[in-house]
Amino acid sequence: DAGITQSPRHKVTETGTPVTLRCHQTENHRYMYWYRQDPGHGLRLIHYSYGVKDTDKGEVSDGYSVSRSKTEDFLLTLESATSSQTSVYFCAIRDRDRGNTGELFFGEGSRLTVL
Amino acid sequence: AQSVTQPDIHITVSEGASLELRCNYSYGATPYLFWYVQSPGQGLQLLLKYFSGDTLVQGIKGFEAEFKRSQSSFNLRKPSVHWSDAAEYFCAVGARDNAGNMLTFGGGTRLMVKP
Repeated sequence: DAGITQSPRHKVTETGTPVTLRCHQTENHRYMYWYRQDPGHGLRLIHYSYGVKDTDKGEVSDGYSVSRSKTEDFLLTLESATSSQTSVYFCAIRDRDRGNTGELFFGEGSRLTVL
Repeated sequence: AQSVTQPDIHITVSEGASLELRCNYSYGATPYLFWYVQSPGQGLQLLLKYFSGDTLVQGIKGFEAEFKRSQSSFNLRKPSVHWSDAAEYFCAVGARDNAGNMLTFGGGTRLMVKP
């Protein structure tokens, strides 16, 4: 158990509304990631963070922003949700104790539906 | 940039039969390679990983995978499938040049097990 909690686990919202998903970790991991999962696409990286206030874009970052004001929380924000952002969102961490090997541990996901 | 292809979207096998899930990657050097499994409604669980050394790696739940550099493949195998193995399987690659900070995932293979 990597101590990752995502909230909310399920959300239904309307087009044009802002949405924030939260990823909380309890083990002081430096690296945190947001992926989205869509059928046929596997998981695609949205944004990641390598420390407090240090973030970078991933493959599918358009329409998303992130913030990391403290080590334990990594927030994903959709400023104005669109139907194409209906997806399952996964937060992940990289366990520094396992060295520089890239292995990720995932949360249980947040299912977002944009109507 | 690296990429991953899982040619089989769905596979059905009978319980007790052997299994092989295919994974091909594109990357200019030797990457980090992973197989993850996802049960319905759950996050992703790491099955096994390859970093270096022996090209045949053993994982949890009786799975193994073989790295073949000449074929750019990392196929997942199990000699005898159990009904509980029904899930979706994802192959992922991490590039060594960015210290494996980000993983690129294949589109997934959904495994169904017939009694």
